[in-house]
Amino acid sequence: GESVGLHLPTLSVQEGDNSIINCAYSNSASDYFIWYKQESGKGPQFIIDIRSNMDKRQGQRVTVLLNKTVKHLSLQIAATQPGDSAVYFCVLASGGSYIPTFGRGTSLIVHP
Amino acid sequence: NAGVTQTPKFQVLKTGQSMTLQCAQDMNHNSMYWYRQDPGMGLRLIYYSASEGTTDKGEVPNGYNVSRLNKREFSLRLESAAPSQTSVYFCASSEGTPQLHFGNGTRLTVT
Repeated sequence: GESVGLHLPTLSVQEGDNSIINCAYSNSASDYFIWYKQESGKGPQFIIDIRSNMDKRQGQRVTVLLNKTVKHLSLQIAATQPGDSAVYFCVLASGGSYIPTFGRGTSLIVHP
Repeated sequence: NAGVTQTPKFQVLKTGQSMTLQCAQDMNHNSMYWYRQDPGMGLRLIYYSASEGTTDKGEVPNGYNVSRLNKREFSLRLESAAPSQTSVYFCASSEGTPQLHFGNGTRLTVT
């Protein structure tokens, strides 16, 4: 089955710095990779996704990189702001039913 | 612009009591999901419904039942609550992709 792991459970950064959150996965069959953000007391919120036929995708202040060779996914947040403080989940899904599998999450703490 | 609405927001039960968690979405999505989230862990799938009239087990279905009442509503029932079911429960919906829209959760404590 799928397993999703994160390299660091907590990441602390200074406001204005760039943040990089990493995720390792084991299931080569995954073809859909998604990052969710969960703020305290709320449900997860979709940030950005990338399909397996891509290696990079950019959004507003966020970039997702996919390295299928080493089964590694990362989320880069530019100019990190206090409002970015949250838990970030790396989520995988496979074709067909696309049932998402969540990892444990990385807590991002932004210091003003 | 409600999205996914879960009720109640908080609930305390005694061991052995039963209750139903309600979830409704107004985005006309076909797929709906129930997850639980425990401290230090990610979300684990309990049950999902790919479309109205169908339900399937997820990773941790034991102790739960679900009903897809119509396209909008997907309820989760605990027939005999146990302390191990103390958790935060999230309902979500989607339309054909893993981009899920989540409610804000029900915080359940079983004593």
